[in-house]
Amino acid sequence: SQKIEQNSEALNIQEGKTATLTCNYTNYSPAYLQWYRQDPGRGPVFLLLIRENEKEKRKERLKVTFDTTLKQSLFHITASQPADSATYLCALGAGGGNKLTFGTGTQLKVEL
Amino acid sequence: DVKVTQSSRYLVKRTGEKVFLECVQDMDHENMFWYRQDPGLGLRLIYFSYDVKMKEKGDIPEGYSVSREKKERFSLILESASTNQTSMYLCASSSPPSHTDTQYFGPGTRLTVL
Repeated sequence: SQKIEQNSEALNIQEGKTATLTCNYTNYSPAYLQWYRQDPGRGPVFLLLIRENEKEKRKERLKVTFDTTLKQSLFHITASQPADSATYLCALGAGGGNKLTFGTGTQLKVEL
Repeated sequence: DVKVTQSSRYLVKRTGEKVFLECVQDMDHENMFWYRQDPGLGLRLIYFSYDVKMKEKGDIPEGYSVSREKKERFSLILESASTNQTSMYLCASSSPPSHTDTQYFGPGTRLTVL
């Protein structure tokens, strides 16, 4: 069955450092991969999408890589700030108006 | 901006009660989804709908039903609430034909069944 793994342990980093979150998947051939941010008690908010034929995508301080051979995506936040503290979810989709499959998320805490 | 609203932020019900959770989106999206989110289990899809009066089972449909009489509204129904249905319920919408399936979520309803 399809499986998406994100590090269940919280990631604690110092302000100004680069945070790197990992999303691994098995038994899946996604057309694209998405990253969402979720704050406590709120719904997830879309951040970035990367397609299967793209290696890297950037948006301001965010960078996503996608390696379909390793079946892995890395999500980077550079110059991290306390306001970046949240849970980050990856989601995979097959495309064509289909549903998404979400990972369990990784909690990021950026400390002063 | 896309706006997805849910009828309640917090809800407390008793075992055996019939519970209605309402979701409304204002962007004319075709697709709508209901998830529940539990610690350690992530987002799990309960039901989704591609069009009015159409519904598809997700990964955990047992104990739930849905209704979509109008395009903008998608309701989740717990026919007879049980304590194991205590959870955060999230509604989302998306719209083809962008083919990216980006989902827009509501704020969530935290349901407690006593």
